[in-house]
Amino acid sequence: QMVESGGGLVQPGGSLRLSCAASGFTFSTYWVNWVRQAPGKGLEWVANIKQDGSETHYVDSVKGRFTISRDNAASSLYLQMNNLRADDTALYFCATGRSQFYYWGRGTLVSVSS
Amino acid sequence: DIQLSQSPSTLSATVGDRVTITCRASRTVNSYLAWYQQKPGKAPKLLIYKASSLETGVPTRFSGSGSGTEFTLTISSLQPDDFATYYCQQFNSFSASVTFGGGTKVELK
Repeated sequence: QMVESGGGLVQPGGSLRLSCAASGFTFSTYWVNWVRQAPGKGLEWVANIKQDGSETHYVDSVKGRFTISRDNAASSLYLQMNNLRADDTALYFCATGRSQFYYWGRGTLVSVSS
Repeated sequence: DIQLSQSPSTLSATVGDRVTITCRASRTVNSYLAWYQQKPGKAPKLLIYKASSLETGVPTRFSGSGSGTEFTLTISSLQPDDFATYYCQQFNSFSASVTFGGGTKVELK
């Protein structure tokens, strides 16, 4: 099971930190991802992180603004989002896997608006 | 990055129909092509991985095929539970980046 939290309403230029708590499986053995879905739109991969945190990758639109991290001792994944824009408004999911995504959370909603 | 284009964007069908969804890539994709089903208000569910491998627990009426730049998801006999939106997804092993197709909504005719 994966449970996201930390979403909310934020003004453009603001920051949010999303969390994803994992349970029921060995979190430390999986690559983990953030995937988002704007209201009424399709899925967009945001970022991923290797099992030990030594490797991270981002979609171009968030590079330099978002940072993915993890704490294997706490079985948790994070997404620090800075300089948020209106087009970052979406439901943010965490998902396990590298080449395909097995376990998904239910998502946390981020709304960027003044 | 590799772009994925799905067709059709909407498909109208009835129970029992054979349904085929196509996913075309902007350049050659290795075998890391997956398919997901998403219902409103729910997280996506993995159906197929590595283009043609059926995820554990997924009904055998779902199948995937293809290689190179063209892939298909087939539902052999559409069931009431299958009305949903379907997405393809590729993983680029060189850049470790991921892209999704735009989605295909399967609706009742």
